[in-house]
Amino acid sequence: AQSVTQLGSHVSVSEGALVLLRCNYSSSVPPYLFWYVQYPNQGLQLLLKYTSAATLVKGINGFEAEFKKSETSFHLTKPSAHMSDAAEYFCALNSGGSNYKLTFGKGTLLTVNP
Amino acid sequence: DAEITQSPRHKITETGRQVTLACHQTWNHNNMFWYRQDLGHGLRLIHYSYGVQDTNKGEVSDGYSVSRSNTEDLPLTLESAASSQTSVYFCASSESTSGEQYFGPGTRLTVT
Repeated sequence: AQSVTQLGSHVSVSEGALVLLRCNYSSSVPPYLFWYVQYPNQGLQLLLKYTSAATLVKGINGFEAEFKKSETSFHLTKPSAHMSDAAEYFCALNSGGSNYKLTFGKGTLLTVNP
Repeated sequence: DAEITQSPRHKITETGRQVTLACHQTWNHNNMFWYRQDLGHGLRLIHYSYGVQDTNKGEVSDGYSVSRSNTEDLPLTLESAASSQTSVYFCASSESTSGEQYFGPGTRLTVT
């Protein structure tokens, strides 16, 4: 069975500080991995995705994530946080093939302090 | 531009009533999904469809049903609404073999 674990349900950073949101996964096959962002009262928006090409993936709004197979991790980073980054972030996994379902982590709420 | 829409955006209903939430996508995607989002539980899959006339149960399907009569629409029906079904409901669609999904804006449902 596949699973996604997001370490830390709530992360707080200062404006301008590094953002690091952690995601570990479990999958019996090479996965596709995603980060989504959800702003208040909105749907989920795709930030970036890993589809077995480059292990360092760049997304929108200055975010990037690195796929590390040995650590089964796909952590999300941004060098300098902006107030507008405050949102909930979800890591998700798809095992590919004919299975189009996503397995989501529980989410991490990012707070950015001025 | 292609999009996915949900209606209504907010709904208040009484226990025992039947409720239908609409989801419409113009991506022409074969795959569509319904989730509910609750504090502490993240997103949970209710039902999904991989094409017209195809429907499948997700992890929390009890009390919900869907039907897929065309590519664009996947309405979600609560047969007899219960207070435990108070939640925010999201519809999503996908076509990519990598599984990436596009989400609608959500429907906030309150069952009193």
